[in-house]
Amino acid sequence: EAGVTQFPSHSVIEKGQTVTLRCDPISGHDNLYWYRRVMGKEIKFLLHFVKESKQDESGMPNNRFLAERTGGTYSTLKVQPAELEDSGVYFCASSPRSMTSRNTIYFGEGSWLTVV
Amino acid sequence: QKEVEQDPGPLSVPEGAIVSLNCTYSNSAFQYFMWYRQYSRKGPELLMYTYSSGNKEDGRFTAQVDKSSKYISLFIRDSQPSDSATYLCAMRHPYAGGTSYGKLTFGQGTILTVHP
Repeated sequence: EAGVTQFPSHSVIEKGQTVTLRCDPISGHDNLYWYRRVMGKEIKFLLHFVKESKQDESGMPNNRFLAERTGGTYSTLKVQPAELEDSGVYFCASSPRSMTSRNTIYFGEGSWLTVV
Repeated sequence: QKEVEQDPGPLSVPEGAIVSLNCTYSNSAFQYFMWYRQYSRKGPELLMYTYSSGNKEDGRFTAQVDKSSKYISLFIRDSQPSDSATYLCAMRHPYAGGTSYGKLTFGQGTILTVHP
């Protein structure tokens, strides 16, 4: 079974440019999450989709970040325009729908973003 | 003050040693507790999760939760070089209304090296 897949694995962009990160969750997982870790800080929650609906987006830092999950399958996270402080690792994660499996959250390997 | 405090280490131990990793937290609303292992340039991998106070064992790993002290631990017995990684504690609230059950709050992670 394929795990959570993220693309690109690394990206270097200039301040002011746009970057779109993609996440493919584990097949059949209704729950999809975005997290990020900036330099020297802990991993922080950004938002949670249940299928195509945003369950909780309380962690999104500002309106330069836009997350979508069309059709309830893969998700994209767009940063526009990127700022230097957006540099870090962006993790996508997914989990099954069932109550008993909600704590089993699987993470992807992350998309490393550097804004210069 | 951070909601979850974790000593970043680094921690270096000889092969075969017992390793103790710890986190404290300030928010008594946290009810679910996880330990993740993260190898370099990889995503966090779930090791264990617990709900109630007490101990939970899985092979060489034991997770311990003391809700009265707001303190959780992970013990690794007979540590191996392959255990060298960053260990992250994470925790979440129970699902309630709009609060996401996937909104984990992480510690900063402890870097562990087990040398032969």
